[in-house]
Amino acid sequence: SQTIHQWPATLVQPVGSPLSLECTVEGTSNPNLYWYRQAAGRGLQLLFYSVGIGQISSEVPQNLSASRPQDRQFILSSKKLLLSDSGFYLCACRDFQETQYFGPGTRLLVL
Amino acid sequence: GNSVTQMEGPVTLSEEAFLTINCTYTATGYPSLFWYVQYPGEGLQLLLKATKADDKGSNKGFEATYRKETTSFHLEKGSVQVSDSAVYFCALVGTSYGKLTFGQGTILTVHP
Repeated sequence: SQTIHQWPATLVQPVGSPLSLECTVEGTSNPNLYWYRQAAGRGLQLLFYSVGIGQISSEVPQNLSASRPQDRQFILSSKKLLLSDSGFYLCACRDFQETQYFGPGTRLLVL
Repeated sequence: GNSVTQMEGPVTLSEEAFLTINCTYTATGYPSLFWYVQYPGEGLQLLLKATKADDKGSNKGFEATYRKETTSFHLEKGSVQVSDSAVYFCALVGTSYGKLTFGQGTILTVHP
């Protein structure tokens, strides 16, 4: 079964600074990958998904972008963080039975 | 579009009490249904799933049955423990690139 790693676990950044969150997956190949954001401990919102290297789809327009430079690597970025970007960011990987498995998450606080 | 509605929380129970968390959905076609659990400060863990009507998912004493006639997937446990305290999310996946649609989550607190 797959294992999902996220880095860093916690991040505190000033408004206007750049962001890079990394997600890597082990134990599978050519997975569908997803970035979700969870605000205030509830409600998950899908931000981006990717079905392959270099293929990114955005669910909602916002201050963030995503990239997939390698098969099992998914990166969430921003050029200039906003206060509203604070939240808990979760990476997920889908198996062939449509089940999504989540990483441990990155908690981002923008001050 | 797809949507999932969970019962409002928070839910507070005593240890060994019976738990029900209601979940209903709206979707086209025949979605797969899931329950995820989130312990404080952690990511989401898959608790159980069901992929077709009348399927029963079960894990760690939790159960949920896929009821197509009532479009429901209620989570139940006969005897909760303090360690079950967490946020529970009901979700479905449709056919579009595997996107998960989540309910708003239900906070469960179990007291000794």
